Amino acid sequence: GQQVMQIPQYQHVQEGEDFTTYCNSSTTLSNIQWYKQRPGGHPVFLIQLVKSGEVKKQKRLTFQFGEAKKNSSLHITATQTTDVGTYFCAGRRSNYKLTFGKGTLLTVNP
Amino acid sequence: DVKVTQSSRYLVKRTGEKVFLECVQDMDHENMFWYRQDPGLGLRLIYFSYDVKMKEKGDIPEGYSVSREKKERFSLILESASTNQTSMYLCASSRGQGDYGYTFGSGTRLTVV
Repeated sequence: GQQVMQIPQYQHVQEGEDFTTYCNSSTTLSNIQWYKQRPGGHPVFLIQLVKSGEVKKQKRLTFQFGEAKKNSSLHITATQTTDVGTYFCAGRRSNYKLTFGKGTLLTVNP
Repeated sequence: DVKVTQSSRYLVKRTGEKVFLECVQDMDHENMFWYRQDPGLGLRLIYFSYDVKMKEKGDIPEGYSVSREKKERFSLILESASTNQTSMYLCASSRGQGDYGYTFGSGTRLTVV
């Protein structure tokens, strides 16, 4: 079945450092979504990327979708303690289902 | 504000019990989903539904069933709870047939003893 691999599993940074998580699919995706789950919380939808090579920004967060629509990345510039949480990518093929990556847990040392 | 409400935040049940997890959304969303979340395994899809009375198996449906009698409500049923079903259960909903983000409920942490 469809696999969505996400790395790294964990990332610990000092406040102010940058952070990147990567997502790779075994198959071409129609779109990819990103979610954030705060500790003790539930996943919250951040953004969706649809077009090949698409780049979207939300303040300090930059999301990219690869040219082949098989990989994606989330980059956070100058992390803050409020960025702590698990970031999930989720890829969709031609059906309704999303396949989630296992997530990257980000911790930030103030 | 869009809301997905799960009936219980914490639940403790005994092995062999029949367990009902309820999920209600107030956004008139067509699609509803049940996931379980376990450390190191991420979110795994159990069942989903695109419409009332319609259901489809996800990636790990064994030991579970679902019911969707009304558009706003999607129930997950553990026919005979087992200890390996101890987990965080997350309900989600989304609009139509297009590409929309999911709205998740706060989750039910189920412990089977």
